[in-house]
Amino acid sequence: AQSVSQHNHHVILSEAASLELGCNYSYGGTVNLFWYVQYPGQHLQLLLKYFSGDPLVKGIKGFEAEFIKSKFSFNLRKPSVQWSDTAEYFCAVNGDNYGQNFVFGPGTRLSVLP
Amino acid sequence: DADVTQTPRNRITKTGKRIMLECSQTKGHDRMYWYRQDPGLGLQLIYYSFDVKDINKGEISDGYSVSRQAQAKFSLSLESAIPNQTALYFCATSDLSGELFFGEGSRLTVL
Repeated sequence: AQSVSQHNHHVILSEAASLELGCNYSYGGTVNLFWYVQYPGQHLQLLLKYFSGDPLVKGIKGFEAEFIKSKFSFNLRKPSVQWSDTAEYFCAVNGDNYGQNFVFGPGTRLSVLP
Repeated sequence: DADVTQTPRNRITKTGKRIMLECSQTKGHDRMYWYRQDPGLGLQLIYYSFDVKDINKGEISDGYSVSRQAQAKFSLSLESAIPNQTALYFCATSDLSGELFFGEGSRLTVL
């Protein structure tokens, strides 16, 4: 079965630190890749997505992610985090044999200290 | 107004009671989903529907049922609620691009 793993359960950073959140998936076919963010008490919102083309994708609020097909990875990065980035981050994959369904990772909670 | 609206937003109920969570959307999408969120487990798919006549089980459908009353409405029912169904439930829609659009969530507590 397809699966998505996220490397860290909880990451704690100080403001201005750099961020990298890991995401790996298990499916070898064509995939669409997503990062969603859930701010405290809110619903999930799309940060960025990759369908094809340039493997380095830029999203909202200064986030970017790099798709490395050989490593089955789609890591999320931000050069300098802010307190307002405190949230839970979910990696999600939609593969060509998923029946248009999405498989979500367990999430990484990011706490940014002021 | 939100594009995907869920009601109720919060509900406390007792074991054995029937509960319905409702979802409506104004995005005009054919595809609708119900997810369950538990801490540390991410989102798990309960049911999904690609149009009014199409209903499919997700990975954790046991104990749940759904109804797609119209393109814009997709309801989730718990026929006899049990405590381990205490969770945050999200409705979502998607277009052909594959992006999911989520509702605000319905927090259900089963005592």
